[in-house]
Formats: sequence, structure tokens, C-alpha cells
Amino acid sequence: GAVVSQHPSRVICKSGTSVKIECRSLDFQATTMFWYRQFPKQSLMLMATSNEGSKATYEQGVEKDKFLINHASLTLSTLTVTSAHPEDSSFYICSARGQTGVHYGYTFGSGTRLTVV
Amino acid sequence: KQEVTQIPAALSVPEGENLVLNCSFTDSAIYNLQWFRQDPGKGLTSLLLIQSSQREQTSGRLNASLDKSSGRSTLYIAASQPGDSATYLCAVRAAGGGADGLTFGKGTHLIIQP
Repeated sequence: GAVVSQHPSRVICKSGTSVKIECRSLDFQATTMFWYRQFPKQSLMLMATSNEGSKATYEQGVEKDKFLINHASLTLSTLTVTSAHPEDSSFYICSARGQTGVHYGYTFGSGTRLTVV
Repeated sequence: KQEVTQIPAALSVPEGENLVLNCSFTDSAIYNLQWFRQDPGKGLTSLLLIQSSQREQTSGRLNASLDKSSGRSTLYIAASQPGDSATYLCAVRAAGGGADGLTFGKGTHLIIQP
């Protein structure tokens, strides 16, 4: 089945630094990837939609200059949290949809727990 | 704006019981509905996917139903086991064009007591 690999699983960084999270589709090509954020006891909230070769589409209230998304290939999307602050501490998770449309559902990565100190 | 609500927020039952988790959504214009399982600190595992034209899907001890017109879905778990303990998330994908990320409920935290 479709597998999405997300790395790192956990990261602790100092306030003001930047953190990059990678999301890879291992056995299929993902024209579209999605980035979500989940705060404790809350729903997963869609942050942005990442399309290969074009700019990401951000949801209302998500700062595109703070959360930089790059989808340079059909198997890799990256999310960079720039100048991270403690309020950015959260669980970030990516999801991918296949190119052929066979994957009607979405496959999710294992998530990244970001702690900003 | 689509809103997804899951009831109950938490549920604790003895092993072996059958149980039902509920999901409701405010906008019936959906493409599909998906049930996921999330273990603590982990990613999501897809359990069942129901297309908007379907009424139910089954996988092993799991059965999910969809009543699109009333904006409801249920996840039925038969003969529950301690390994079923997890948070169960319901998510819908909007119909039509445009951004098609999923809208999630807050989940039902399920504990199966041995």
C-alpha cells in the first residue's frame, strides 16, 4: 500500500531558529501533499496544500512567510518553520494523494512533534 | 464552512463489547468520508473510506455507515479488544473543485478495558 514517510519524528529547537520537516511518498508519486497541525486535544487543522512545481495554497490565518513549503519533486514536500516560537510547538503531520487518482483516500505520515523552547 | 463533530469525546468500555462512534458534519456536499485511528503521538491509520454515493463500508470488525443527507456517519466496532484503544478520527473531503484537504473532527478517545 501507499506509504508516506515523515522526518524527523521529534524535534526540539530554540526560539528563533528554523526547523525543516520532510514528507516523502515512498511508493507512489504525490502531485498534491497536505500539511496539518494538531494542538493537544484539538482537531487536525489543514495549514496548506502543496502542489508539485507550484506555490503552496495556505489556509486562512496561516502565515506563508513563517511556514515555508517546498514541493520540488513528485515524492518530496518540505515544511520549514521559520523563526520558531514556543506557540509554534505542535504536532505537524503531512498527507499525500497519488497522481493517478487511485488513492481516493489520503495517506498520512507519522507526524513530527515540534517543541520550541 | 464545514464543521465536523464527534460524539462522544471519550469512551471507556470493557473488552468484548460492541460500540458505536458518531460523527456529524454540517455541509452535506462531501466527496467522501474517512475514518482514521490515531495512537498517542503517532500518525493516522486509515480504517475505512466511504464515497459519497455509498452507504457503508466494512473491514473486519469495523463497519462504517454514511447518511449524507443528514450529515451523519457511524463507526461500529464489534467485539472490542484492548488493542482497539486509540483515538478515532472522522474526516470529510469536500465535493467539487478547489482545495480538497480534509476537515477533521476532534476525535473520540476510546479505552477498552481488559
